[in-house]
Amino acid sequence: DAGVIQSPRHEVTEMGQEVTLRCKPISGHNSLFWYRQTMMRGLELLIYFNNNVPIDDSGMPEDRFSAKMPNASFSTLKIQPSEPRDSAVYFCASSSRGKGFEKLFFGSGTQLSVL
Amino acid sequence: KNEVEQSPQNLTAQEGEFITINCSYSVGISALHWLQQHPGGGIVSLFMLSSGKKKHGRLIATINIQEKHSSLHITASHPRDSAVYICAVSRGGSEKLVFGKGTKLTVNP
Repeated sequence: DAGVIQSPRHEVTEMGQEVTLRCKPISGHNSLFWYRQTMMRGLELLIYFNNNVPIDDSGMPEDRFSAKMPNASFSTLKIQPSEPRDSAVYFCASSSRGKGFEKLFFGSGTQLSVL
Repeated sequence: KNEVEQSPQNLTAQEGEFITINCSYSVGISALHWLQQHPGGGIVSLFMLSSGKKKHGRLIATINIQEKHSSLHITASHPRDSAVYICAVSRGGSEKLVFGKGTKLTVNP
């Protein structure tokens, strides 16, 4: 398996532009997570899905952020409009949740810079 | 006070030394994860545990539920172990993880 695939690896955009980050989880995994990592705050969960349904989006900073999972093999995180404070590394991760918790598999991350 | 506290924040060791990284948490948890973040930024899940001890190669993770404390040990450390080690906990049946700030480990040859 290729692992969790994120695109793009790097994104540089100007303030006010729309940004879309993409994630393909590992086939067969039924949980998908979006995390953000900054120097100041470390890793934070933004939102997670279970069987394509959003379960907890309490970490989404504000209405400018939205996430979708239209099917089991694809998810997007959109920021519109983007702001410089959104600059961070965004990680997608997936796991196969059975009766308990399972190991997380992370993508390589998207380095976002908003100028 | 953060829900998850790690110590030390930074750790420098010589190759071959035994390493211990500590994680304390303040709430009841369902599971605790140890993650490794390489200098290039990639994150790998090392362990997920809810009780006792787990071992993988030179890495050992332990957890004491009563004391709300976990340790990650590295035996015979090697420069390739240099990374940031992050502790994270989930609670209440949720898959939402709360992360520690990480411990930056540098192993010198």
